[in-house]
Amino acid sequence: AQKITQTQPGMFVQEKEAVTLDCTYDTSDQSYGLFWYKQPSSGEMIFLIYQGSYDEQNATEGRYSLNFQKARKSANLVISASQLGDSAMYFCAMREDYGQNFVFGPGTRLSVLP
Amino acid sequence: ETGVTQTPRHLVMGMTNKKSLKCEQHLGHNAMYWYKQSAKKPLELMFVYNFKEQTENNSVPSRFSPECPNSSHLFLHLHTLQPEDSALYLCASSQAGTREEAFFGQGTRLTVV
Repeated sequence: AQKITQTQPGMFVQEKEAVTLDCTYDTSDQSYGLFWYKQPSSGEMIFLIYQGSYDEQNATEGRYSLNFQKARKSANLVISASQLGDSAMYFCAMREDYGQNFVFGPGTRLSVLP
Repeated sequence: ETGVTQTPRHLVMGMTNKKSLKCEQHLGHNAMYWYKQSAKKPLELMFVYNFKEQTENNSVPSRFSPECPNSSHLFLHLHTLQPEDSALYLCASSQAGTREEAFFGQGTRLTVV
C-alpha cells in the first residue's frame, strides 16, 4: 500500500525567503508519480508540480521546485521568494503510473509573514 | 465552462433531509472521485468511478450514495446524515492510465445540523 508522510503540521516563513516543505512516501511500485497541491482557504486544490519516479532531473515550475531523492523516498517542495499569497495548506500526493487512485498526505499549513 | 465544477458551494441540511451534491467536468477525463476533508484530518477517498463504473468504495456508510450517469457527471446523494459528516466534499477528475494530475473542484462545504 502507498503512504505519504508530511511531518510538518505548520510552517512559518518570512516574505521573500525560501521555504522547504517535507514529504516522504512509501510504495512498492517501481513506477509512480509525485504531486504537490496547494489549498487556499477557499478550498480548491490547485496543482503545483509533478515529479515522475524515473525523471532524472528535479521538476521545476516557476517559483516551485521539487527536491526528489528517490533512494530516501522523499519529494520535498521548495518555494522560492515566498509571497503572502503562498499562505495555504500544501499537500503531497502520489499515484502509481497508469493507475487511477491518488494517495494524499496530511498536509502542511504554510504561513508567510510580512 | 472548463475544469471541474461543483454545486452547491455551501449546504446546510438537517439530519432528516435528503440532498445531492453535483460535480461536472469538462476535461474529457475518464475517472472521477469523491473526497471528504474534515477539519484536521487528511483527505479521505470515498468513491472512484472509472468510465462510469464504480471501482472503489472505501467503506463509506450507506447514507452516502454516489451516482455517475456518464463520464462527465458525478453525484453524491445524502440522506439521514450525522453532524460528524460535516466537512468539505471535494470532487476530482483525472485521466486514469496516464501520469497526469487530478483536477479538483472548489468543493461543497456541508454542515449537518
